[in-house]
Amino acid sequence: DIQLTQSPSSMSASLGDRVSLTCQSSQGIGNYLSWYQHKPGKPPKPMIYYATNLADGVPSRFSGSRSGSDYSLTISSLESEDTAIYYCLQYDEYPRTFGGGTKLELK
Amino acid sequence: EVKLVESGGGLVQPGRSLKLSCAASGFSFNDYWMGWVRQAPGKGLEWIGEINQDSSTINYTPSLKDKFTISRDNAQNTLYLQMSKLGSEDTAIYYCARQGYVMDAWGQGASVTVSS
Repeated sequence: DIQLTQSPSSMSASLGDRVSLTCQSSQGIGNYLSWYQHKPGKPPKPMIYYATNLADGVPSRFSGSRSGSDYSLTISSLESEDTAIYYCLQYDEYPRTFGGGTKLELK
Repeated sequence: EVKLVESGGGLVQPGRSLKLSCAASGFSFNDYWMGWVRQAPGKGLEWIGEINQDSSTINYTPSLKDKFTISRDNAQNTLYLQMSKLGSEDTAIYYCARQGYVMDAWGQGASVTVSS
């Protein structure tokens, strides 16, 4: 199975900060990576698909990028509503696999 | 409005079976792959599997393939997850999701607790 390693596992940042979360794949998956935001008591919400494409309704302060087997989710200016756990998911091969998640909190 | 509603969760004894349903509305159900994802308490998301539009292709995560069965009824716009030989490790919130470019619509989740 493809392993996705997310870093950091948790972090805190201040309002207005630029925040970058990373997801590293154990093998090549091309751009077949998506990001999800998950808040307590709610279902996950898609944020990014195909590594760099913004999902419907996602604010433009979110962006996705790729460098080799490293994928990043960046928030250009952190807002309070962005606190959540973020997961990456690869959909290049079966079984699909999620990363372990990054918990993002406000400082 | 796209809507997915899971049902069938609850408390079940170890070793028993349980079947979850996911009722879809607001979109053409038979045009989409559908899938299941779960989250155990204090753990991350786990992909369970997915099924294509006419049920001819079903993929599972290997560790659950012998315990879980995904099916669908396009006439009833409903997705199912049949779970057997349940153990405490299967205690989780179970989500159904529509598979487009991304899992773009999710249900609110069904809680399953496996305990004697």
